[in-house]
Amino acid sequence: QQPVQSPQAVILREGEDAVINCSSSKALYSVHWYRQKHGEAPVFLMILLKGGEQKGHEKISASFNEKKQQSSLYLTASQLSYSGTYFCGTVPTGAGSYQLTFGKGTKLSVIP
Amino acid sequence: SQTIHQWPATLVQPVGSPLSLECTVEGTSNPNLYWYRQAAGRGLQLLFYSVGIGQISSEVPQNLSASRPQDRQFILSSKKLLLSDSGFYLCAWIGTGLRNSPLHFGNGTRLTVT
Repeated sequence: QQPVQSPQAVILREGEDAVINCSSSKALYSVHWYRQKHGEAPVFLMILLKGGEQKGHEKISASFNEKKQQSSLYLTASQLSYSGTYFCGTVPTGAGSYQLTFGKGTKLSVIP
Repeated sequence: SQTIHQWPATLVQPVGSPLSLECTVEGTSNPNLYWYRQAAGRGLQLLFYSVGIGQISSEVPQNLSASRPQDRQFILSSKKLLLSDSGFYLCAWIGTGLRNSPLHFGNGTRLTVT
């Protein structure tokens, strides 16, 4: 089942912060985050494994709450280059470890 | 280093015509391979995945099929295209399980069915 992302779209001015949420109805082993620029393939940002860890990549970080089956992506001091569509992908526990199901995406626009 | 090649980059085909998209991976052996489709302005829909030669799992019943004739080759086909088959097709690979390793995407094929 597809994870639910929110918000669907967000517009930021340079330097502002944003949070993108991803929730699943299934128990999860891991959560992936990708960013896709218009007309290009998605690019990997980070993976979070069960255990409630938090990871960071420059000014982009994420957390994973396995009990709530939720993950959040934090973008701080946004830059123009952060614009794009962000997708979370979930890997369920159990037999589905070959399947990565993506949410519908969150379109982020950073303006000067 | 590992690379993934996908072709063609763009394709315009009439309704009812056949389709063949090819994807190859270099620099790794026995990868898990995936086909995703992205309709205009939409999310990424998993179509097929393969964990080995001749092993194909289908996620969405439709008029598309996939084959893996060689370890690092993955082919997406259709006998008769529909208008609804238009979209951005992405091949991806992973060397180990998805639990703790990322998907690596090819550059994609933009298919327009007219």
